[in-house]
Amino acid sequence: GENVEQHPSTLSVQEGDSAVIKCTYSDSASNYFPWYKQELGKGPQLIIDIRSNVGEKKDQRIAVTLNKTAKHFSLHITETQPEDSAVYFCADPNSGGSNYKLTFGKGTLLTVNP
Amino acid sequence: ETGVTQTPRHLVMGMTNKKSLKCEQHLGHNAMYWYKQSAKKPLELMFVYNFKEQTENNSVPSRFSPECPNSSHLFLHLHTLQPEDSALYLCASSQGILQRTNEKLFFGSGTQLSVL
Repeated sequence: GENVEQHPSTLSVQEGDSAVIKCTYSDSASNYFPWYKQELGKGPQLIIDIRSNVGEKKDQRIAVTLNKTAKHFSLHITETQPEDSAVYFCADPNSGGSNYKLTFGKGTLLTVNP
Repeated sequence: ETGVTQTPRHLVMGMTNKKSLKCEQHLGHNAMYWYKQSAKKPLELMFVYNFKEQTENNSVPSRFSPECPNSSHLFLHLHTLQPEDSALYLCASSQGILQRTNEKLFFGSGTQLSVL
């Protein structure tokens, strides 16, 4: 089925703190999990992704972890900066039931306060 | 820049108007998409074209009419829209299909549409 649940819907942190956003999915066949960042006035941009054969992937201050047993994956941002403020979306390309559908979560509005 | 360009950035139209949104990708991709983004709703897929052929129509009302003359250009023709159609319309492209090949989507900046 098509179901990607994302939490929280809003997240406010102080600059330098860490932020964690979590998504759960329903299709056990899912094997690829991207995260997109949407800044104000722009379209979503892929920032990091993970495949099911690894449990964690890091790229500087951002990381994604995957728990296939529990069917959830999380975005971790460390040492947050004001430019990290944006809406973040998780996605699952296997939930849509078609070859072309990327099912997105509802998004998390992250605000990093200076 | 993502390589996907949308025009216009903003559009205000009345319910009886006819307008068109344009999208162009410079990435050599084969698949192009229209998404609708409304406040407090997930991104909604509207249409998909692969090699100029429409492969998905996600139950979109006929007042939205897509056109894909080639793999680099995508249009969304609008006619007799309703106020509830006001939203950000995003175009995206990918090299190929999203499932199994782990393709990435590249989005444009969108057209913010207001229907009065």
